[in-house]
Amino acid sequence: GAVVSQHPSRVICKSGTSVKIECRSLDFQATTMFWYRQFPKQSLMLMATSNEGSKATYEQGVEKDKFLINHASLTLSTLTVTSAHPEDSSFYICSARAGTGGLDGYTFGSGTRLTVV
Amino acid sequence: QQQVKQSPQSLIVQKGGISIINCAYENTAFDYFPWYQQFPGKGPALLIAIRPDVSEKKEGRFTISFNKSAKQFSLHIMDSQPGDSATYFCAASSSGTYKYIFGTGTRLKVLA
Repeated sequence: GAVVSQHPSRVICKSGTSVKIECRSLDFQATTMFWYRQFPKQSLMLMATSNEGSKATYEQGVEKDKFLINHASLTLSTLTVTSAHPEDSSFYICSARAGTGGLDGYTFGSGTRLTVV
Repeated sequence: QQQVKQSPQSLIVQKGGISIINCAYENTAFDYFPWYQQFPGKGPALLIAIRPDVSEKKEGRFTISFNKSAKQFSLHIMDSQPGDSATYFCAASSSGTYKYIFGTGTRLKVLA
């Protein structure tokens, strides 16, 4: 089946630094990738939708200058948390949709636990 | 209108029992309703999904019941096992946006 690899699984960074999270579709081409944020014991909140070769679409309330998303190829999307602060600490999860997949074609990555100290 | 309401927030079931989790939605444009299972520190994994043209779908011990008129759907886990202990999320999506709206999650604990 479709596999989405997310890296790193855990990262600790100092306040004010930037962190990049990668999301790769290993065995399919992902025309669309989604980035979610999940606080402890809470639901997944969609942050943005990225389409290969175009600018990401951010959900209301998500700072696009803080959460930079790049979807430069059909197998890779990156989320960069810029000038991270402790309140950015969270679990970030990506999902990918295959180009030929309908609603059934979503696969989630294993998530990245970001801790900003 | 974009919300998906999920209940209960937490659930404790004896081994071998039936676990039932409910979700309700308002947006009639939703046409795809998946259920996801998430273990701590992991991403969600698709369990089972249903579309509005059927009222029930069963896969192994997992069954989705769907009530279009009430705009409700539920997950039934038969013969619940300790390995089923996880957080379960319902979600809804529409063909127009392909974006998932997730429920608030249910933490299930199955006692051995």
